[in-house]
Amino acid sequence: LAKTTQPISMDSYEGQEVNITCSHNNIATNDYITWYQQFPSQGPRFIIQGYKTKVTNEVASLFIPADRKSSTLSLPRVSLSDTAVYYCLVGDLGMDTGRRALTFGSGTRLQVQP
Amino acid sequence: ETGVTQTPRHLVMGMTNKKSLKCEQHLGHNAMYWYKQSAKKPLELMFVYNFKEQTENNSVPSRFSPECPNSSHLFLHLHTLQPEDSALYLCASSQVPPAGYRSYNSPLHFGNGTRLTVT
Repeated sequence: LAKTTQPISMDSYEGQEVNITCSHNNIATNDYITWYQQFPSQGPRFIIQGYKTKVTNEVASLFIPADRKSSTLSLPRVSLSDTAVYYCLVGDLGMDTGRRALTFGSGTRLQVQP
Repeated sequence: ETGVTQTPRHLVMGMTNKKSLKCEQHLGHNAMYWYKQSAKKPLELMFVYNFKEQTENNSVPSRFSPECPNSSHLFLHLHTLQPEDSALYLCASSQVPPAGYRSYNSPLHFGNGTRLTVT
């Protein structure tokens, strides 16, 4: 299976912008890029999804360059409650790469300090 | 996340017991999944049900037995478990387009899991 690569951990302070980059060199033409957030003892929660260029919602922004071999999740002005593990997944549930859209790696553990 | 409900939230069972985990989704999705998350490990996909048909069994031991009576309910039947089976068991659902038909990509919606301890 094609693999995504993310930093294992990141530290930040309240009020700062945090950017988490994910590498997915083998992304397929039909693949979407999806990010999830997980707090301890809870299920992951969908944050944002994109295919190309930039996507923004009330929680985050997702930047995808033209070659789509990486993506960056941007969290504006983080707070203590943003301390969590963030996962990047690529795939398409309706296509052959659906299995990848279900496969979670180790994610990035973000620690926000006061 | 009120869209996917899992019960019980916590379960302690002995190795000779039989118990079941229940998952219900209120989102109208057509696919449901079981994941296992052990301490400090990534989520492991266990079972996949698309349109109530099991499409994937990720080499899971037979002491775990899934059941999907309809598109809204998913069970995981447990018996003769081992202490190493202690983990957080997570259920998820999504809307999957028919095979080969790509019109959207519904993300996964998870419940808050059942924390299982095998003694």
